[in-house]
Amino acid sequence: QQKVQQSPESLTVSEGAMASLNCTFSDGTSNNFRWYRQHSAKGLEVLVSIFSDGEKEEGRFTAHLNRANLHVSLHIREPQPSDSAVYLCAVSMSNYNVLYFGSGTKLTVEP
Amino acid sequence: NAGVIQTPRHKVTGKGQEATLWCEPISGHSAVFWYRQTIVQGLEFLTYFRNQAPIDDSGMPKERFSAQMPNQSHSTLKIQSTQPQDSAVYLCASSPWDNSGNTLYFGEGSRLIVV
Repeated sequence: QQKVQQSPESLTVSEGAMASLNCTFSDGTSNNFRWYRQHSAKGLEVLVSIFSDGEKEEGRFTAHLNRANLHVSLHIREPQPSDSAVYLCAVSMSNYNVLYFGSGTKLTVEP
Repeated sequence: NAGVIQTPRHKVTGKGQEATLWCEPISGHSAVFWYRQTIVQGLEFLTYFRNQAPIDDSGMPKERFSAQMPNQSHSTLKIQSTQPQDSAVYLCASSPWDNSGNTLYFGEGSRLIVV
């Protein structure tokens, strides 16, 4: 089964400073990667999906994928206090396989 | 469009009792997933259906847990003889699971507390 690990467990940044979150996965043949956000006691909101090595931008959110290094990251440009949430990395083997999640990074954006 | 609807949002049940959780997927979505979320284990896959047929239940505990999808508009997750370790948030998600992609859209979850 796919192993997905995220770091750091928690991250505090100042409003406007770049926030960078990391995710490693165990199966190099995976080709479906998504970043979700979960505000307290709420459901998950998909932020960005990436399927090939390189970069994918969705508004202020940019995902970078390097499958050779088993690594995908999320960068949040100009974070705001409303971006404070738990960010979850999700990986699957292919477009139509189960998504496996990491344990999350708790992001706090201070005014 | 309404999102994924889960009921109840909160449920407290005594040890040994049965708990049934309901999920109404987004209309037109052919795949429905169940996940369980705890602080210790994070988000764990339980099972999923496509076009109402069970596809993969590899994450389901073999005893006491069962899931069904009797029609395209709802799915249920039943836990028999609940135990304190079943306490978690149970999340349902649906997906179009077609050429438009397999993004999962999640409900807000059902928080189960077993006392």
